[in-house]
Amino acid sequence: AQSVTQLGSHVSVSEGALVLLRCNYSSSVPPYLFWYVQYPNQGLQLLLKYTTGATLVKGINGFEAEFKKSETSFHLTKPSAHMSDAAEYFCAVSENQAGTALIFGKGTTLSVSS
Amino acid sequence: EPEVTQTPSHQVTQMGQEVILRCVPISNHLYFYWYRQILGQKVEFLVSFYNNEISEKSEIFDDQFSVERPDGSNFTLKIRSTKLEDSAMYFCAGGGQGITGELFFGEGSRLTVL
Repeated sequence: AQSVTQLGSHVSVSEGALVLLRCNYSSSVPPYLFWYVQYPNQGLQLLLKYTTGATLVKGINGFEAEFKKSETSFHLTKPSAHMSDAAEYFCAVSENQAGTALIFGKGTTLSVSS
Repeated sequence: EPEVTQTPSHQVTQMGQEVILRCVPISNHLYFYWYRQILGQKVEFLVSFYNNEISEKSEIFDDQFSVERPDGSNFTLKIRSTKLEDSAMYFCAGGGQGITGELFFGEGSRLTVL
């Protein structure tokens, strides 16, 4: 069975500081990995995804994540936080075939202070 | 840009009542999903639907829940006899035939059971 662990339910950074949100996964097959963002009272929006190929993937709003198989990790980073980045971030994993469900982590709330 | 639409955005119901949540997925999607998010908790997979039948379901998706796609466009989630613990945000999602695994989420239907 697949699972996702997000370390830290709440991360606080200052505007302009590095953002690092941690995600570790467990999967018996090569995984597809995703980061979704949820702004207040909104649905889930895809930030970025890893399927195959390059292990460093870039997403929207300046975010990127690196798939590290040896560490079973897919941490999300952004060099410089902006106030608008404050939101809930979810890491998710799925099997690499069409139609399989995404399994989400518990989420990390990112707060950005000025 | 096509999007997944959900109705109602918020529904308040009495315990024991039946509730139907509706979703209009993106037209070329083939896989459909329902997820729920209890306040302050992670996004949990309920059920996936493909080719007019359930393809996968979680332990949460018990006999009180059912899904159908009656007219080829709407995708519904029915809760037969709501319980207090069914209070949550319910998200509909859809995915295409490609094996990229990305899901497109609606903005959710908030269900409050009193």
